[in-house]
Amino acid sequence: QKEVEQDPGPLSVPEGAIVSLNCTYSNSAFQYFMWYRQYSRKGPELLMYTYSSGNKEDGRFTAQVDKSSKYISLFIRDSQPSDSATYLCAMSESGSARQLTFGSGTQLTVLP
Amino acid sequence: EADIYQTPRYLVIGTGKKITLECSQTMGHDKMYWYQQDPGMELHLIHYSYGVNSTEKGDLSSESTVSRIRTEHFPLTLESARPSHTSQYLCASSEGRTSGGADTQYFGPGTRLTVL
Repeated sequence: QKEVEQDPGPLSVPEGAIVSLNCTYSNSAFQYFMWYRQYSRKGPELLMYTYSSGNKEDGRFTAQVDKSSKYISLFIRDSQPSDSATYLCAMSESGSARQLTFGSGTQLTVLP
Repeated sequence: EADIYQTPRYLVIGTGKKITLECSQTMGHDKMYWYQQDPGMELHLIHYSYGVNSTEKGDLSSESTVSRIRTEHFPLTLESARPSHTSQYLCASSEGRTSGGADTQYFGPGTRLTVL
């Protein structure tokens, strides 16, 4: 079983839709949770990160972490064609290790 | 925007050739990483470095080698390329935080390698 599971999609939505992207994980030691966005033929770029459980909002993006369920989500409001990309969740433990474990990514297309 | 660079961006090469993928960062980051990414698959860590003269193998077994002679430079070498090495190779760097927040990794644009 993979440590981090992410629905690969692809996910196709109309412009303006609310998008929900999700990951589940099995390692209860994970403390830091991140979402990266990767455009085609580019490297991943950090979108948001949260520490432990709770919500974090940044513009149209909201990240949620539910450690009791080992479940994280990224919501995109008023989705735009420019949001079309692959979204990767990533997580790490605290302490000196701090290696990231990535999900396989969800490919999102927002149709104009 | 992160200042991390990879060259070449695309490389098509024949079996048996020796290749070096270059990665440089100008952020003064201590930690650097090499990942391999196949389409629709997660990133697999193949090498990382905590600093100059420090290198470690990652989770994914790889026939490549790395060196870290300078803080800003972390090249990856394949002594004899094979078709099974065809993939996207991503370089990343981070401050190397051990406390006080996430150790955010910044990625380069990647090198897409095709071995014929």
